[in-house]
Amino acid sequence: SQQGEEDPQALSIQEGENATMNCSYKTSINNLQWYRQNSGRGLVHLILIRSNEREKHSGRLRVTLDTSKKSSSLLITASRAADTASYFCATFASKLTFGTGTRLQVTL
Amino acid sequence: GAVVSQHPSWVICKSGTSVKIECRSLDFQATTMFWYRQFPKQSLMLMATSNEGSKATYEQGVEKDKFLINHASLTLSTLTVTSAHPEDSSFYICSAPGYGGSYNEQFFGPGTRLTVL
Repeated sequence: SQQGEEDPQALSIQEGENATMNCSYKTSINNLQWYRQNSGRGLVHLILIRSNEREKHSGRLRVTLDTSKKSSSLLITASRAADTASYFCATFASKLTFGTGTRLQVTL
Repeated sequence: GAVVSQHPSWVICKSGTSVKIECRSLDFQATTMFWYRQFPKQSLMLMATSNEGSKATYEQGVEKDKFLINHASLTLSTLTVTSAHPEDSSFYICSAPGYGGSYNEQFFGPGTRLTVL
């Protein structure tokens, strides 16, 4: 079964707004990664946060990890139309297991 | 960054035929590659781990005789869907781990859209 469940399944916001996506998982992990997928394309790695880290930043991305709650969040600040894509969390224990994904739509 | 290519990007075939999909790491070597399957608007499901010089490791429920994997060199893994049927129609994506091994980020190919008529 899939490791991660993401919330919301779909999110529609206007350009300039912030987008927050949440990911919950079930078992212990070594790290958690976030990936982006444009429609019909491969995945692009965004950011990796290790199990002993609580927060990480990369440009307009902010990721948090709460291992006690087995959850993570991805915040995209000042969103752009080009951020429109599906976003997946993926947990790594012995292998990489993907969550259900959030489809983000950013409108002008 | 590291680049992974896949060929073909899309293929349409008749039921009962076999289809081969190639996954190449273009500027780095990959002793391990991963094959995923993705249905429309769904997540990626790991099918198998391709190991250079040894047999592939298949996930539970994936038929190894149906999905043949060959890791021919340090830059090439192939997935052959044998005797394809319409239910095999899907988006197949490969990935290879970057520096530091499978523990760290994966580099994904652009995917192959398979349609079986």
